[in-house]
Order: sequence, then structure tokens, then C-alpha cells
Amino acid sequence: QVQLVQSGAEVKKPGASVKVSCKASGYTFTSYDINWVRQATGQGLEWMGWMNPNSGNTGYAQKFQGRVTMTRNTSISTAYMELSSLRSEDTAVYYCARALTTSCPDYWGQGTLVTVSS
Amino acid sequence: EIVMTQSPATLSVSPGERATLSCRASQSVSSNLAWYQQKPGQAPRLLIYGASTRATGIPARFSGSGSGTEFTLTISSLQSEDFAVYYCQQYNNWPTFGQGTKVEIK
Repeated sequence: QVQLVQSGAEVKKPGASVKVSCKASGYTFTSYDINWVRQATGQGLEWMGWMNPNSGNTGYAQKFQGRVTMTRNTSISTAYMELSSLRSEDTAVYYCARALTTSCPDYWGQGTLVTVSS
Repeated sequence: EIVMTQSPATLSVSPGERATLSCRASQSVSSNLAWYQQKPGQAPRLLIYGASTRATGIPARFSGSGSGTEFTLTISSLQSEDFAVYYCQQYNNWPTFGQGTKVEIK
């Protein structure tokens, strides 16, 4: 069965960076794009970007351009999302998801809570 | 950016009743529209993609319709496990989500 398992919760200070991992199993990792979506507590969903694990090509939402980097290690079927220059507004649960089409997530990870606090 | 507007914000429905949720796009997204269900503390679950295609394992009581700018998610007979927040998402252009509709027990 398709599974996406994310790394554990993180606490970061303002200005720092965070890197979240997402390990895929149950399907061919390089055959589907990976999307990243975040959700602040009690708020809605916010799409951050996509990555093609085969080519490494990426596309980022304008809001995150210059601060987000999505990468992968195909040998271990793992995707990564790094967000830099963190601020309190970045406190959220970050989800990775396999994309049915380029930007339509079907299977989701369990989420990683990133807390930004001084 | 395409803005997705969902209505109503909250829908109070009795078990066994029909629920109709709406989603409007600020410009045409063709049929590139998905619906997700999210329960507290859980990741979203894909229900519908392509505006009307049920995702794998989704019960037939969930149906989607619409194209262009107006979309509807219908739950024909609400079960206890269906009380949750529902989001629409367009993926015709850079993806955006609606703000969600909470379906609560009446």
C-alpha cells in the first residue's frame, strides 16, 4: 500500500531553516510528483510546490519563492522540503503528498509540525 | 492567483440527510478540481478529482459535479464518519484551495 512517512516535529528559532523528510513506499517513487502543502493551526490548506522525483524539476508557489527548496534522494525514495528564514507565521503542519496529476495530491503523509518560536 | 470560494462555511445536517457543498473559482479551471475531506488531527483525504471522478475506495454516496467556475460536492446520505471539513482545490493553474466547509451534526 502507498505510504508516505514524514520526519518528526521540529522547533526552530526565527531566522533558522528547517528540513522535513518524506519517505515513500508501496509505489515507484520516480513515477509520481511530490507536492508539499502546509496548514497553520485551525486554518486552511496552503499549497507550497511540487517536485518531480525523476528529473528533480521543481515548481514553487510565488509566496515561497526564494525560501523553499524541494529535493530528493531516489536511492532511498525520500523527498525533502527545506524552508529558510523562518518566521512565526511559518508555524504549521507541513504535509508531503503524492500527486495523482502534477498538482492533485492523492496520498498524504501524516504531517510534520514545525514550530517557530524564540 | 485563482481564488476558490466555498459555501457555506458551516453546514448543519442530520445523519441520513443529503449535504450539498459549493465551490466557486474566480476564473475557469476547466474540470481540474478536487475535493478533500479532513478530520481533526488527520491529513486530508482525496475524495474527488477531475471534478467528478471518485478516488480509490471512496463510497458512492460522494459525488462531484460542475466545470468551469462552479462546482458541487454532494453527500447523498450522511454517515457519522462524514462529519468533517471539506476543501476544494483547483489544479488547473498554480494550485489553490478553498477555505473549507465544516459539516457538523445538526
